[in-house]
Amino acid sequence: GQSLEQPSEVTAVEGAIVQINCTYQTSGFYGLSWYQQHDGGAPTFLSYNGLDGLEETGRFSSFLSRSDSYGYLLLQELQMKDSASYFCVLSSGYSTLTFGKGTMLLVSP
Amino acid sequence: NAGVTQTPKFRVLKTGQSMTLLCAQDMNHEYMYWYRQDPGMGLRLIHYSVGEGTTAKGEVPDGYNVSRLKKQNFLLGLESAAPSQTSVYFCASSSASNQPQHFGDGTRLSIL
Repeated sequence: GQSLEQPSEVTAVEGAIVQINCTYQTSGFYGLSWYQQHDGGAPTFLSYNGLDGLEETGRFSSFLSRSDSYGYLLLQELQMKDSASYFCVLSSGYSTLTFGKGTMLLVSP
Repeated sequence: NAGVTQTPKFRVLKTGQSMTLLCAQDMNHEYMYWYRQDPGMGLRLIHYSVGEGTTAKGEVPDGYNVSRLKKQNFLLGLESAAPSQTSVYFCASSSASNQPQHFGDGTRLSIL
């Protein structure tokens, strides 16, 4: 089966940089995605890594190391609106996504 | 600019009742999904569809049925609701299996 591990909660201050780590176990690997969810609302797509390395999208970057079964989401210049839950999501088969339990990010002034 | 629309947004059922949750997307996406989210948990895939007329089981399919009679609609049915099915249900769609999924706002379902 598939499993993902990510911290349950991370705290940071406005303007800072925060990294949310994700480790996974899977028998097959297609890619690792990150989704953001505010207050139980609709999850929204942030980033996808299918190959090793760094993907950058504005203030957000995501990294993947397939040999280490590890990835992270990096958020720079934190803003209050970044307070949300962040899910790492494993694509391990045809049309199959496995969500981690989520990391709640709390950004304080 | 609707995207993915779920109806209803809230519903309270009694144990044993049946109901259908409707998901509609206007992006001409082939792939559609139903998830449930429980407190402190990520989303778990119930069923999915890779095109009109097709459905497949996900991680937690028991107690649910689905239908995809039209490309734009994906229905989730509970034949005999149980308290364990109290959850928030999210529908999503994507253009392909490796493309980002677009989610609806969710249906909050309570079963007493």
